[in-house]
Amino acid sequence: GAVVSQHPSRVICKSGTSVKIECRSLDFQATTMFWYRQFPKQSLMLMATSNEGSKATYEQGVEKDKFLINHASLTLSTLTVTSAHPEDSSFYICSARDGGGLQETQYFGPGTRLLVL
Amino acid sequence: AQTVTQSQPEMSVQEAETVTLSCTYDTSESDYYLFWYKQPPSRQMILVIRQEAYKQQNATENRFSVNFQKAAKSFSLKISDSQLGDAAMYFCACLDNYGQNFVFGPGTRLSVLP
Repeated sequence: GAVVSQHPSRVICKSGTSVKIECRSLDFQATTMFWYRQFPKQSLMLMATSNEGSKATYEQGVEKDKFLINHASLTLSTLTVTSAHPEDSSFYICSARDGGGLQETQYFGPGTRLLVL
Repeated sequence: AQTVTQSQPEMSVQEAETVTLSCTYDTSESDYYLFWYKQPPSRQMILVIRQEAYKQQNATENRFSVNFQKAAKSFSLKISDSQLGDAAMYFCACLDNYGQNFVFGPGTRLSVLP
């Protein structure tokens, strides 16, 4: 099946710093990628939809200036948490849709655990 | 807007036995897709099975099968011959035909007892 990678898998940073998380589709081209946030013992909450070459679409309540998304190529999307604060600590998961295959199916990365001190 | 409900926060099953996880959904779309994803302790989301709403035949993947009742908007997952490796959180999800609205249920934590 399609493989999606995320880097880093875990990051610890100080409050006020910015953190970039990369999401890559390894064996397919992803015209659309998604960024989710998951709190402990809860479901995935969609933050934004990232389309290659255009601006991301953010869900209601998600600050676009706080969570910067760039989808510069068909295999890479990045999420930058700017001026991170302890309340931003969470598990961030990206997913990608295979533009050439089963387009309705999302393939997920392994996630990134962010801890802001 | 779509909603997905999983009424069982936790379930347990004896190894080698069969278990059914419930999922109901609500959508105004006539054509959509339904999914079951598994999230083991590693937290990697893994696709278990998918169903196109326009297909009446229930999807099957090895030990995993679904009971899709479109009129009742029900999409349950049956796991046969349960294995220890099946222990995980299971999320039901619905995607509209335009592929823009992917909604997850709250999840069911499945424990497999040896």
